[in-house]
Amino acid sequence: GAVVSQHPSRVICKSGTSVKIECRSLDFQATTMFWYRQFPKQSLMLMATSNEGSKATYEQGVEKDKFLINHASLTLSTLTVTSAHPEDSSFYICSARDVGPGGANTGELFFGEGSRLTVL
Amino acid sequence: GENVEQHPSTLSVQEGDSAVIKCTYSDSASNYFPWYKQELGKRPQLIIDIRSNVGEKKDQRIAVTLNKTAKHFSLHITETQPEDSAVYFCAARTREGSNYKLTFGKGTLLTVNP
Repeated sequence: GAVVSQHPSRVICKSGTSVKIECRSLDFQATTMFWYRQFPKQSLMLMATSNEGSKATYEQGVEKDKFLINHASLTLSTLTVTSAHPEDSSFYICSARDVGPGGANTGELFFGEGSRLTVL
Repeated sequence: GENVEQHPSTLSVQEGDSAVIKCTYSDSASNYFPWYKQELGKRPQLIIDIRSNVGEKKDQRIAVTLNKTAKHFSLHITETQPEDSAVYFCAARTREGSNYKLTFGKGTLLTVNP
């Protein structure tokens, strides 16, 4: 299947700093990527939908100024956690959708490896 | 918006037994229902999916059933093996504007005891 690569896999930072996480679709073009947050032993919570060339669509309760998303190309989306605080510590996972039988946005969803953020 | 409920939250079975995980969804417009397996600290992996025009789909030891009228779908794993131990998530896909969005259930921790 298609491959989605996420980097870094682990990052530790000091409170107040910003952290950028990259999500790349390696062998397909993804017009849409998704960013999720997952707390220990909990489900994947969608944070935002990232559309190439346009602004991201954020879910209710997600601060767009704190979680900056940029989808500058068809293979790369970035999530920047600005002025990180300990409560931002979490597992962040991106996903990208391959083109499916119904056309764009209907294919299988592939997940990145995830990035574990620890804010001290 | 869509709401997906998943039960049970934990499930422990003996090796060789069957395991069943059930999910319900609220949005009748949802038309695609994937199941993901997530091992500890790893990414979710799609294991099987079903579309709304199909009632059942099987892939070796794994099967999924869908009841559109009742808005529920289930994952069935037969002849379970220790390597089946993981967290399983169901999801339902709805369309919002030009985007398709997946809503996940809360997950089921499956433990297969040897």
